[in-house]
Amino acid sequence: AQKITQTQPGMFVQEKEAVTLDCTYDTSDPSYGLFWYKQPSSGEMIFLIYQGSYDQQNATEGRYSLNFQKARKSANLVISASQLGDSAMYFCAMRDSGGGADGLTFGKGTHLIIQP
Amino acid sequence: KAGVTQTPRYLIKTRGQQVTLSCSPISGHRSVSWYQQTPGQGLQFLFEYFSETQRNKGNFPGRFSGRQFSNSRSEMNVSTLELGDSALYLCASSLEGLAPDTQYFGPGTRLTVL
Repeated sequence: AQKITQTQPGMFVQEKEAVTLDCTYDTSDPSYGLFWYKQPSSGEMIFLIYQGSYDQQNATEGRYSLNFQKARKSANLVISASQLGDSAMYFCAMRDSGGGADGLTFGKGTHLIIQP
Repeated sequence: KAGVTQTPRYLIKTRGQQVTLSCSPISGHRSVSWYQQTPGQGLQFLFEYFSETQRNKGNFPGRFSGRQFSNSRSEMNVSTLELGDSALYLCASSLEGLAPDTQYFGPGTRLTVL
């Protein structure tokens, strides 16, 4: 069974600082995908970034980058130059290559608050 | 391109009633997945539909059901509502529903059961 662990329930960060949100995962499937989503208070889940298990390079999307350490089963999200609008819940998720019998597996999330 | 839409956005029902939620995927997306989000259990997978067939199902009782139409729109139904069914129900669409397809979520339907 797949499992995602996010160990930071909440984080306070000063505006313009970089933020690292931790995510570790567990799966027996050698082929899988890792995702990060942002959920503002409105409730909608916004896709941020994707990393495939066989990707050689860490994924980047604008201010978001994924620090993928396969041997450690870690997929941390890095947000550079944080902004007030980054305040939200952040979820790490995964799905194995077969489509995943259980859909996306999510972590419990990290509540990020950016302070001015 | 329009995103995933869900209707209604808010619902209030009483125990024992049934409810139907609707989801319209992004144009061209053939896979629709449903998730339940509660403060206690977090995000849990309900089921996934592809080409009008349920392809995967999560660990939920039979009171939770769904279907998908030929235009890929999907509905989920919850019968005999219980207080514990109060949750945010999120629908997500993707091209084919297989990794590495990204799932794009709608705004959700917030269901309150009294």
